[in-house]
Amino acid sequence: DAGVTQSPTHLIKTRGQQVTLRCSPKSGHDTVSWYQQALGQGPQFIFQYYEEEERQRGNFPDRFSGHQYPNYSSELNVNALLLGDSALYLCASGLGEGTGELFFGEGSRLTVL
Amino acid sequence: AQKVTQAQTEISVVEKEDVTLDCVYETRDTTYYLFWYKQPPSGELVFLIRRNSFDEQNEISGRYSWNFQKSTSSFNFTITASQVVDSAVYFCAPPSGNTGKLIFGQGTTLQVKP
Repeated sequence: DAGVTQSPTHLIKTRGQQVTLRCSPKSGHDTVSWYQQALGQGPQFIFQYYEEEERQRGNFPDRFSGHQYPNYSSELNVNALLLGDSALYLCASGLGEGTGELFFGEGSRLTVL
Repeated sequence: AQKVTQAQTEISVVEKEDVTLDCVYETRDTTYYLFWYKQPPSGELVFLIRRNSFDEQNEISGRYSWNFQKSTSSFNFTITASQVVDSAVYFCAPPSGNTGKLIFGQGTTLQVKP
């Protein structure tokens, strides 16, 4: 039973560039959430996708956008990268929109130079 | 407003010692869930437990136990006979309302020395 998988695991970008991160949820899950974790901090909620729609959003600018596909996989896009966007980006999957168990992937570590 | 506090930033123990990690969750909600996650150096957040505020009975799973006291808003996590593999950052995380949006605190870094 495959868990949550994310790609790429590491990437380096320069300021102003755009990045796309990908996530495949755990088998049987239909909801995907994205979190940003800066070094030494707890993860911060970016947004949640369910039924291919953004259902909730955290306090992140419009430069952060996403998509969910019919197979429940998801992408996180960040435009006009800033140095402060350097972080570990974590994807979590769950069943439905409620407070069920959430399973996380190993994350994509983004470095912006 | 909801607020989760893990006052212990770092804890260091020697293998086989028992260790308790504290978590205080302040909310106006009368019912809620709380999650505990472990984050080893690999970065993946590992789900440990989800508890409902209705249930104040201690939960035990192997060397792990959880004590939930609604009166003090505390949801503490104890590792008995700690092992080096327990070294990680531990997060207590309540959902925001009845949603899948988790609110993470700063976490507690546990170092277990051999």
